[in-house]
Amino acid sequence: GAVVSQHPSWVICKSGTSVKIECRSLDFQATTMFWYRQFPKQSLMLMATSNEGSKATYEQGVEKDKFLINHASLTLSTLTVTSAHPEDSSFYICSARWGNTGNEQFFGPGTRLTVL
Amino acid sequence: DAKTTQPTSMDCAEGRAANLPCNHSTISGNEYVYWYRQIHSQGPQYIIHGLKNNETNEMASLIITEDRKSSTLILPHATLRDTAVYYCIVRLYGGATNKLIFGTGTLLAVQP
Repeated sequence: GAVVSQHPSWVICKSGTSVKIECRSLDFQATTMFWYRQFPKQSLMLMATSNEGSKATYEQGVEKDKFLINHASLTLSTLTVTSAHPEDSSFYICSARWGNTGNEQFFGPGTRLTVL
Repeated sequence: DAKTTQPTSMDCAEGRAANLPCNHSTISGNEYVYWYRQIHSQGPQYIIHGLKNNETNEMASLIITEDRKSSTLILPHATLRDTAVYYCIVRLYGGATNKLIFGTGTLLAVQP
């Protein structure tokens, strides 16, 4: 299957700082990328969907000014958690898909964010 | 997208077949059934998907009932590495709203 990478795999930051997480599709062009968040012992929650070159579409209840998403190329999307607070500590997972059809989504390994 | 119902957890003996059920009674005609799994602290892994017919690949088999209201994922010879949370997801085919929404899944514990 296609490979999706994330960087960093884990990050610890102080409260009030901003953190950027990168998601790359390594062997295919991702026209659509998705960002999920997962709290301990819970399922994945979709945060937003982004298409290359356009603004991201955020799910209800997700603050777009706090979670900035940039999908500048067909192989790279970034999620920036601005002014992070301890409640933002979570496992962030990106996913990528090519085309708008029923092609399966491929997931990155996730990024563990801990805000002190 | 239609909702799915899965058992919270299941056990399976190593080497035996693991049969994971999923109910999706409100599925519509153009919705596919997808299965993903998530091993602890990793990203989800695609397993298989289908519309009407049974499907098989190198990882698993997917059996969909004739009325499409339920399906079963079969891991033919479970190993300890198959211990994971398995998610059954129903998703529309095509269009801008084509996204995967995860439910609570089934925690499969393969026992030695």
